[in-house]
Amino acid sequence: GAVVSQHPSRVICKSGTSVKIECRSLDFQATTMFWYRQFPKQSLMLMATSNEGSKATYEQGVEKDKFLINHASLTLSTLTVTSAHPEDSSFYICSARGVAGAGANVLTFGAGSRLTVL
Amino acid sequence: GNSVTQMEGPVTLSEEAFLTINCTYTATGYPSLFWYVQYPGEGLQLLLKATKADDKGSNKGFEATYRKETTSFHLEKGSVQVSDSAVYFCALNPGGGADGLTFGKGTHLIIQP
Repeated sequence: GAVVSQHPSRVICKSGTSVKIECRSLDFQATTMFWYRQFPKQSLMLMATSNEGSKATYEQGVEKDKFLINHASLTLSTLTVTSAHPEDSSFYICSARGVAGAGANVLTFGAGSRLTVL
Repeated sequence: GNSVTQMEGPVTLSEEAFLTINCTYTATGYPSLFWYVQYPGEGLQLLLKATKADDKGSNKGFEATYRKETTSFHLEKGSVQVSDSAVYFCALNPGGGADGLTFGKGTHLIIQP
C-alpha cells in the first residue's frame, strides 16, 4: 500500500532557529500534499495545501512567511518553520494524495513530526 | 463553518465489549464523512468512509452510518479486541472528496484484556 514517510519524527531546537520537516511519498507520486498541525488534545488543523510545482495555498490564519512549504518534486514536500519560537511547538503531520498507483485518490498520512522549541 | 465534535477520551473497555464512539458534525452542503485510526507511532489510516446520507461505511468489524437528520457518524464495533487500542478521528470533507479534511479532536480507545 501507499506509504508516506516524515523526517525527523522528533526535533528539539533553540528559539530563533529554523527547522525543516520532510514528507516523502515512498511508492507513489504525490501530486498534492497537505500539512496539518495538532496541539495536545486538539484536532488536526489544516495549515496548507501544496501542489507539485506551484505555490502552496495556506489556510486563514497561517503565516506563510513563518511556515514555508516547498513541493518541488512528486515525492517530496518540505515544511520549514522559520525563526521558531516556543509557541510553534506542536505535532506536524503531512498527508499525500496521488493520481495513480498505490496512492491514487486516497489520502495517506505520515506518522508526524514532533517539534519542541526551547 | 465546518466542525466535527467527537466524544472525549480516553475510553476504556474490556475485550469483547461493544464500542460506540460518537461523532457529530456541522457543515454546509453535503459532506463526505470519514473515520481515521492512529496506532501508536504510526500515521493516520483511513478506517472507513461514507459519501452520502444513509451510506454505511464498514471495515475490520467497524461500522458507521451517515445520518443526515442527526448530523452524526457514530463509530461502532460489536466486539473489540486489544489490538483495536488506538486514537480514532472523525473527519469530514465538505466538498465530497478527501482533500482538506476537518478533524475532530480524536478519541483515545484503550481495550483491556
